[in-house]
Amino acid sequence: QSALTQPASVSGSPGQSITISCTGTSSDVGGYTYVSWYQHHPGKAPKLMIYDVSDRPSGVSNRFSGSKSGNTASLSISGLQAEDEADYYCSSYTSSNKVVFGGGTKLTVL
Amino acid sequence: QMQLVQSGAEVKKTGSSVKVSCKASGYTFTYRYLHWVRQAPGQALEWMGWITPFNGNTNYAQKFQDRVTITRDRSMSTAYMELSSLRSDDTGMYYCARSGSSYGMAVWGQGTTVTVSS
Repeated sequence: QSALTQPASVSGSPGQSITISCTGTSSDVGGYTYVSWYQHHPGKAPKLMIYDVSDRPSGVSNRFSGSKSGNTASLSISGLQAEDEADYYCSSYTSSNKVVFGGGTKLTVL
Repeated sequence: QMQLVQSGAEVKKTGSSVKVSCKASGYTFTYRYLHWVRQAPGQALEWMGWITPFNGNTNYAQKFQDRVTITRDRSMSTAYMELSSLRSDDTGMYYCARSGSSYGMAVWGQGTTVTVSS
């Protein structure tokens, strides 16, 4: 099972919006509505930001949103804030009853 | 509150095995999948496998299939991940994480550092 494909890095200024893509196949991202997104600050445990493509856990800001089209899922962050600077990972359930992560995207807030 | 507490840092020799524990509290242990995720230094998160605490069923990533064993003790609300035939590139942070209402990993342990050297 190959890792999902994410851009290595994205950047934006405070207040702006950014989008991170996550491309898989019909055996993972495209085949199920079980895409999740995680925020990971160095030295801390990852935090679930989006599950089931577009649902937000309680307590996660509505500045974070998720979507999917075909084999590509996306995480959007609006109104960028300094504390959003982190690594972001997508993951998907797969047809083998397993989970696969993306390669991660480093978000820099300029 | 729901919490996962992992065992402490480990230093191991190449070729040996390591067993990391993950104790759950604040929820019914048997209700959700329990995953293990690894992050090598400078690398991405990597899913290793999961266990269904209710019946002990497991599924492992192909990369780790031959070397990883995930078990649980229902009486102790604790899951374990054992990795054998350790190599230097197994050095990293190992996390346990619990699924929420779906497949998203909603609750994470604090992580356990495993260092492998000769």
